[in-house]
Amino acid sequence: QKEVEQNSGPLSVPEGAIASLNCTYSDRGSQSFFWYRQYSGKSPELIMSIYSNGDKEDGRFTAQLNKASQYVSLLIRDSQPSDSATYLCAVNSYRGGNQFYFGTGTSLTVIP
Amino acid sequence: DAGVIQSPRHEVTEMGQEVTLRCKPISGHDYLFWYRQTMMRGLELLIYFNNNVPIDDSGMPEDRFSAKMPNASFSTLKIQPSEPRDSAVYFCASRTGTNYEQYFGPGTRLTVT
Repeated sequence: QKEVEQNSGPLSVPEGAIASLNCTYSDRGSQSFFWYRQYSGKSPELIMSIYSNGDKEDGRFTAQLNKASQYVSLLIRDSQPSDSATYLCAVNSYRGGNQFYFGTGTSLTVIP
Repeated sequence: DAGVIQSPRHEVTEMGQEVTLRCKPISGHDYLFWYRQTMMRGLELLIYFNNNVPIDDSGMPEDRFSAKMPNASFSTLKIQPSEPRDSAVYFCASRTGTNYEQYFGPGTRLTVT
């Protein structure tokens, strides 16, 4: 079982719509959760971190965490073509040591 | 404030040659991570350091790979001898001791022919 799983997509949404990206993790003891955006040919860029159950909003981005279901999601409101990228979910897990695990990423395309 | 700095940005070398990748973490960050990214395997953690000490190198693929951190502002990842299957983008990332947020450098694209 992978530590972090994401739907690889690709996910396509029209401009102005809400994009919903999902991630599940296997270590129930995980405490820290992150979303990174990676444009083609570039490095991962941290866009959201969340540590507590519930929602965290930052501009057009909302991260949602449900520890009971071991589920993290990222909502992008009013999607723009510039949001087209691969989104990586990352989880800090203490299983096997203090490790930072990345999902394989979900490719998002926003269609103008 | 300068981010994580990596050099070179691109490296093309022939099989069997030694390759050295370099990283300067963000000042004040006491954790440093080396990752490798390929289409097939995604982003893989190779090794990480805390206060210049290697903590977990279980991701290093084999003895051809070695990493050092001689001081708080510099780390190297060396591959000797290099093989075509080492072709990938290698990222360095760093974070503070109190915050788990990792910040990535621009990466080194390695091509071994």
